[in-house]
Amino acid sequence: AQSVSQHNHHVILSEAASLELGCNYSYGGTVNLFWYVQYPGQHLQLLLKYFSGDPLVKGIKGFEAEFIKSKFSFNLRKPSVQWSDTAEYFCAVSGGSYIPTFGRGTSLIVHP
Amino acid sequence: DAGVIQSPRHEVTEMGQEVTLRCKPISGHNSLFWYRQTMMRGLELLIYFNNNVPIDDSGMPEDRFSAKMPNASFSTLKIQPSEPRDSAVYFCASRPGSSSYEQYFGPGTRLTVT
Repeated sequence: AQSVSQHNHHVILSEAASLELGCNYSYGGTVNLFWYVQYPGQHLQLLLKYFSGDPLVKGIKGFEAEFIKSKFSFNLRKPSVQWSDTAEYFCAVSGGSYIPTFGRGTSLIVHP
Repeated sequence: DAGVIQSPRHEVTEMGQEVTLRCKPISGHNSLFWYRQTMMRGLELLIYFNNNVPIDDSGMPEDRFSAKMPNASFSTLKIQPSEPRDSAVYFCASRPGSSSYEQYFGPGTRLTVT
């Protein structure tokens, strides 16, 4: 069975700080990996996704994530966060079951 | 495209009442998911349909919950009878089909059971 672990439950940063949110998954086969963002009071939206090819994936709003197969990781990064990045971030993995598994989410608060 | 449509957006009901949540997936998407989101448990998958057929309902909490997808453009999630612990935001999401595609989430229904 596939599973996802997000280590940081709550992150508080000041504007312009760098961000890295951890995501580790467990699944032995080929995986598709996703990061979703949920702004306060809104629904989940896709930030970026990895299917194959270049392990460094660029997403919207300056976010990127790197797939490291040997570490079963897909960490999300942004070099300089903004107040508008305050949101909940979810990592998800989809393997052979075709049903994505979501992590518990990381709450990011960015102080202006 | 209007995206995934859910109704109602907010529902307040008394314990014991029947609640029906509705979802219209994006046209052409043949996979549909119902999720429940709470502070305590995060985002939980309740049920997954593929081509209108329920594939995995292992996440449905108990017999009080039921879901149907009578056609490709409509799904319902029913709770009968409702209980205060059912209070949550319920999301519907659709996907073109393959697991290599991302899910598109609806705006959610915020359910409060008093």
